[in-house]
Amino acid sequence: GAVVSQHPSWVICKSGTSVKIECRSLDFQATTMFWYRQFPKQSLMLMATSNEGSKATYEQGVEKDKFLINHASLTLSTLTVTSAHPEDSSFYICSVRSRAGDNEQFFGPGTRLTVL
Amino acid sequence: AQSVTQLGSHVSVSEGALVLLRCNYSSSVPPYLFWYVQYPNQGLQLLLKYTSAATLVKGINGFEAEFKKSETSFHLTKPSAHMSDAAEYFCAVSAGGGQGGKLIFGQGTELSVKP
Repeated sequence: GAVVSQHPSWVICKSGTSVKIECRSLDFQATTMFWYRQFPKQSLMLMATSNEGSKATYEQGVEKDKFLINHASLTLSTLTVTSAHPEDSSFYICSVRSRAGDNEQFFGPGTRLTVL
Repeated sequence: AQSVTQLGSHVSVSEGALVLLRCNYSSSVPPYLFWYVQYPNQGLQLLLKYTSAATLVKGINGFEAEFKKSETSFHLTKPSAHMSDAAEYFCAVSAGGGQGGKLIFGQGTELSVKP
């Protein structure tokens, strides 16, 4: 399987600031990455699909201007939460899609965002 | 379209007892099915997956699941629970044949293991 890292693992910021979260595929080139958010005691909600070299595809109800995704290389995708507010506080998880064609995803360890 | 229903948001078993976590799916195309485990404040780890080969799938840590098309089920079992199995478990479905690549997750089942 793939090894996926996220940075930072946790971040606390003031309301109105922007926060960037990095997702790296450490041992293989990932053409497709996914971003999820997870509220406490809830399931993962897919936010967007990130494809290298093209615009991300956002799920219905996710504000693309608020959650900026950049997949500039085959090993790095970033999620920027712009003008963060307390309701954006959540656990953000990225994943990379397996190249085996079976749709398995390899997940990063997650980033805990707290907006004060 | 695909969907997943996990029956029971919380399951509690005694150490050494059988673990059974239920998952039913809906899919308009042949599905790929996955079970993932999540420990607190961590990402997800794959336990096992079904991708149209053998219907009985064996995974890590002694877990297995059986794909039953007639029942649209993919229940997760383990013969003997261990304290370290306490975690959140997610069933997920994807369109088979490599289409799309999205995973649709169930709501999760929290497994508690009593000594």
